[in-house]
Amino acid sequence: DVKVTQSSRYLVKRTGEKVFLECVQDMDHENMFWYRQDPGLGLRLIYFSYDVKMKEKGDIPEGYSVSREKKERFSLILESASTNQTSMYLCASSLLGQGGTEAFFGQGTRLTVV
Amino acid sequence: QQQVKQSPQSLIVQKGGISIINCAYENTAFDYFPWYQQFPGKGPALLIAIRPDVSEKKEGRFTISFNKSAKQFSLHIMDSQPGDSATYFCAATFYSGTYKYIFGTGTRLKVLA
Repeated sequence: DVKVTQSSRYLVKRTGEKVFLECVQDMDHENMFWYRQDPGLGLRLIYFSYDVKMKEKGDIPEGYSVSREKKERFSLILESASTNQTSMYLCASSLLGQGGTEAFFGQGTRLTVV
Repeated sequence: QQQVKQSPQSLIVQKGGISIINCAYENTAFDYFPWYQQFPGKGPALLIAIRPDVSEKKEGRFTISFNKSAKQFSLHIMDSQPGDSATYFCAATFYSGTYKYIFGTGTRLKVLA
C-alpha cells in the first residue's frame, strides 16, 4: 500500500516559533508538494520539489521554506510562525510522468498557532 | 490563467439522487483533469481522472464529462449515497519544469439518508 506519511496530525505552536512539518513517501516519487488547505480557498500550493535539493515556489511561499535532502523526505519550515499560518497542511507526491499522474496525499497536519 | 473555478461550494442531495459538480478553466495547456475526494480527517484521494482527448469517462457511479471547447468539466455522481458525503476537488495539471497541480476550491457534498 503506497504511503505518504506526515509526522504529526495535530500541532500547537506559539507565535514566533520555528516549526518543522515532515513528510515521507515510500513510492520513490520524484515530485513532492506542500499545500495549505483553508475553507473556501481549496488547496493552495506553497512549495514543490522535483528532485533532491531542488525546490520551486508555489503560489503562496511567503513565510515558508522547504528542505529536500533525501528523495523520500520533504520538510516544510515556518521560520517564525504567525497566527495567519493556522491551517491544514497537506503533503503530496507524484511520479515525474508525462501528461500528469496521480498525486498521493498524506493525512494532513492541522497546525494551530497561538 | 492558472485557475480552476469550481461550483457549487456546497451541495445537499437526497439519497439516490444525482450530484453534479462543475469546474471551468482558462489555460489550454492543462492536460490532465483529476477529481479528488476527501473525507473528514483524511487527505484527498484520487477518485477519477480524464485527459482532454476524451469527452467522458465513467467508473461505477462516477462520471466525468469534459467539454474541451467550453473549457469545462464536471463530476456526476449517480445514485448518490450517504457514504459519498465528502469534499470534492477538481484539479488540472500542466507542465512547468514538472507537472503542477492546480486545485479548485472544493465542494462539500452531503447526501441525506
